[in-house]
Amino acid sequence: LAKTTQPISMDSYEGQEVNITCSHNNIATNDYITWYQQFPSQGPRFIIQGYKTKVTNEVASLFIPADRKSSTLSLPRVSLSDTAVYYCLAQPRDTGRRALTFGSGTRLQVQP
Amino acid sequence: GAVVSQHPSWVICKSGTSVKIECRSLDFQATTMFWYRQFPKQSLMLMATSNEGSKATYEQGVEKDKFLINHASLTLSTLTVTSAHPEDSSFYICSAPEREGGEQFFGPGTRLTVL
Repeated sequence: LAKTTQPISMDSYEGQEVNITCSHNNIATNDYITWYQQFPSQGPRFIIQGYKTKVTNEVASLFIPADRKSSTLSLPRVSLSDTAVYYCLAQPRDTGRRALTFGSGTRLQVQP
Repeated sequence: GAVVSQHPSWVICKSGTSVKIECRSLDFQATTMFWYRQFPKQSLMLMATSNEGSKATYEQGVEKDKFLINHASLTLSTLTVTSAHPEDSSFYICSAPEREGGEQFFGPGTRLTVL
């Protein structure tokens, strides 16, 4: 499994755009990049997944350059409720029978 | 999306007692479920893979006789912490894939405190 590296923590203010970058230099050809969000005392929640270029959903955007050695999760106009830990994973998509491997994650603190 | 529930959401027990935690897939069947443990300010660590109708697979360093896993049906896996000690106090989370190759859904977690 590709090792991922993220900043330990980030601070932002309400209304700002937040970009969290994840490094995965050893990503394999069949690995997808997936981001999860975890609030205190809750299980992780899927945010977005992509393979290359850009993916956007109602919550976030995911930018993946051509070499796929890194990716950036973009949260537009964050609010206090976006304060959470964000995990970047790089694993094969066919992980139905395999567990997910979580790195240290990025603790995002949004202030008023 | 699919829903995974856990019960109880929190439990406090005395040292030496056993505690059972349930993980249920509410609207789908899961032949495989995963159990994680998370200590404060740390990431999720996989403890074991629960397989319906067969023995669980434990990660290195996880005592199978201490953390008993039973996956008796396609919608229920249980984790029993036997002879719990204060160092077992943690946040226990289960997950299940909705289908093979599909997204994994996590339960809300169970906070175990052993006094």
